[in-house]
Amino acid sequence: DVKVTQSSRYLVKRTGEKVFLECVQDMDHENMFWYRQDPGLGLRLIYFSYDVKMKEKGDIPEGYSVSREKKERFSLILESASTNQTSMYLCASSLNVGEQYFGPGTRLTVT
Amino acid sequence: DAKTTQPNSMESNEEEPVHLPCNHSTISGTDYIHWYRQLPSQGPEYVIHGLTSNVNNRMASLAIAEDRKSSTLILHRATLRDAAVYYCILRDDAGGTSYGKLTFGQGTILTVHP
Repeated sequence: DVKVTQSSRYLVKRTGEKVFLECVQDMDHENMFWYRQDPGLGLRLIYFSYDVKMKEKGDIPEGYSVSREKKERFSLILESASTNQTSMYLCASSLNVGEQYFGPGTRLTVT
Repeated sequence: DAKTTQPNSMESNEEEPVHLPCNHSTISGTDYIHWYRQLPSQGPEYVIHGLTSNVNNRMASLAIAEDRKSSTLILHRATLRDAAVYYCILRDDAGGTSYGKLTFGQGTILTVHP
């Protein structure tokens, strides 16, 4: 079974803090993705990576950065968290243009 | 990316078939039609995908119109566990530029009544 795990299910951070969201997949997938999901706005792509150390902006990259030092791990970084980054964050991975496998999500609250 | 249009919501009774429509009139020749669903409090999961021919798998069937401007996801016997948001997504899998990205719309909220 493909498994995508995310470091936390729930996270509460203060405004201005640096936040790291970690995602790990165990199926040797090249592609990894970070989305956020908000009521009324659906899932939106923040960043994706198609290889180690490679990254591409998605539709809403502002305020975020990413890191992919190893194939199995893709990190989303909020350099200085703000309240408008309170959201559900979903990580996914895929092999080429195959199906995407999603993690369980991290619900981040920034106060 | 070409756009899809889905009804906001649909309802069904348990053990009855469900037909979820999707319109994609601007689909290009290299766009595949993908369906994902998201159960409550979970990440999305893959359901099925196709290019031109109808497709079946253990979860559902996908019927694609001859002109490819619309498609229908068919759940043959809905169960309570099928209550979810269903997303119809086009992706340029043959063009080599998508990197597997998905662009989610609002989807269809399916309610299944006992």
